[in-house]
Amino acid sequence: RKEVEQDPGPFNVPEGATVAFNCTYSNSASQSFFWYRQDCRKEPKLLMSVYSSGNEDGRFTAQLNRASQYISLLIRDSKLSDSATYLCVVKFTGGGNKLTFGTGTQLKVEL
Amino acid sequence: GAVVSQHPSWVICKSGTSVKIECRSLDFQATTMFWYRQFPKQSLMLMATSNEGSKATYEQGVEKDKFLINHASLTLSTLTVTSAHPEDSSFYICSARGQVSYGYTFGSGTRLTVV
Repeated sequence: RKEVEQDPGPFNVPEGATVAFNCTYSNSASQSFFWYRQDCRKEPKLLMSVYSSGNEDGRFTAQLNRASQYISLLIRDSKLSDSATYLCVVKFTGGGNKLTFGTGTQLKVEL
Repeated sequence: GAVVSQHPSWVICKSGTSVKIECRSLDFQATTMFWYRQFPKQSLMLMATSNEGSKATYEQGVEKDKFLINHASLTLSTLTVTSAHPEDSSFYICSARGQVSYGYTFGSGTRLTVV
């Protein structure tokens, strides 16, 4: 079983739609959680950290459920520019400072 | 903000040759450098972690004699792919972490194609 699992998609949605991605992680001793965005042939860029109480940044809302070991990302009013691959990233306790990446979920926002 | 410059952006080399990839932290001291590899439609896979002045720690299954990592200064780390083969063709990305800032700053990646 992969340490961090995501549905690879692609998710094809119309502009303005709300879309949600989920991610599950296998190690309960997990320390920190993040969502990164990766455009084709580019490096990943931090979208937002994920906090236990849930957090929001503009159109993006991230939530963490430690009991069920899953993380979610909600994108409201999606834009064409949101088209990218969204990577779920976990830093495990005892793993040093290394990040473990999910495979990513591809989002395509269409007119 | 923190910037990591990675070069080259892309390289095509012949099978059997060696390729060096450089990552420089431009405005902070990178005490730790992570090297990743990403195959098409796959996740970033950590290859090794290096701390300045120390030998790199390699992940299971990564050949340390094939992927040479040098992190001799706080602003420069290099990854050398020795005796490259077509199966080494991939997207290589570095990520630096400083002592003051605990965020992760990624280089722009190097697309290696071995022919």
